[in-house]
Amino acid sequence: DAKTTQPPSMDCAEGRAANLPCNHSTISGNEYVYWYRQIHSQGPQYIIHGLKNNETNEMASLIITEDRKSSTLILPHATLRDTAVYYCIVRGANSKLTFGKGITLSVRP
Amino acid sequence: GAVVSQHPSWVICKSGTSVKIECRSLDFQATTMFWYRQFPKQSLMLMATSNEGSKATYEQGVEKDKFLINHASLTLSTLTVTSAHPEDSSFYICSARGQDRGDQPQHFGDGTRLSIL
Repeated sequence: DAKTTQPPSMDCAEGRAANLPCNHSTISGNEYVYWYRQIHSQGPQYIIHGLKNNETNEMASLIITEDRKSSTLILPHATLRDTAVYYCIVRGANSKLTFGKGITLSVRP
Repeated sequence: GAVVSQHPSWVICKSGTSVKIECRSLDFQATTMFWYRQFPKQSLMLMATSNEGSKATYEQGVEKDKFLINHASLTLSTLTVTSAHPEDSSFYICSARGQDRGDQPQHFGDGTRLSIL
């Protein structure tokens, strides 16, 4: 599965949109982009995934560039409870999830 | 939907004892289950993958005789840490995935914090 690169940390103000970037320049045509988050001392929580089209659900939006080499997870109105480590993971169908270091998002009041 | 329940959430036991952790998919059939381990300030490390009714596949460096995995049904997998020692103290997290589609996401339990004295 392709490797991903994320900045180690970022912060944003409560109520504002949080845009979390991810690079996956070696992604292949049949690999999906998944986003999970882990709040301290809990198991990871699935957020969203996509192949090439942009996706939106009740938690977030996923924007994938046309060349699929990068993506952005958007939390439209960040709250203090969104403070967590966010993982961007690329995997093929029926393959396993391999976690990197993720990006630590801190939402400030 | 897609709830994974893990039990117990924490356990403290003496060195040399065996500890069993249960992982259940509550509202879907989990054809594949995964066990991860996480040490403080580190990311999740995959230990093993199991398919219902089959032997687990262990990642390199994980002792299969120490970490026994059973996936006897489509809703239950267990991890038994045998003869646990202080270095086995960690946060163990299970994950489950259905088989409706190839891109089906994995869903995670809330983890078990294991402390060996």
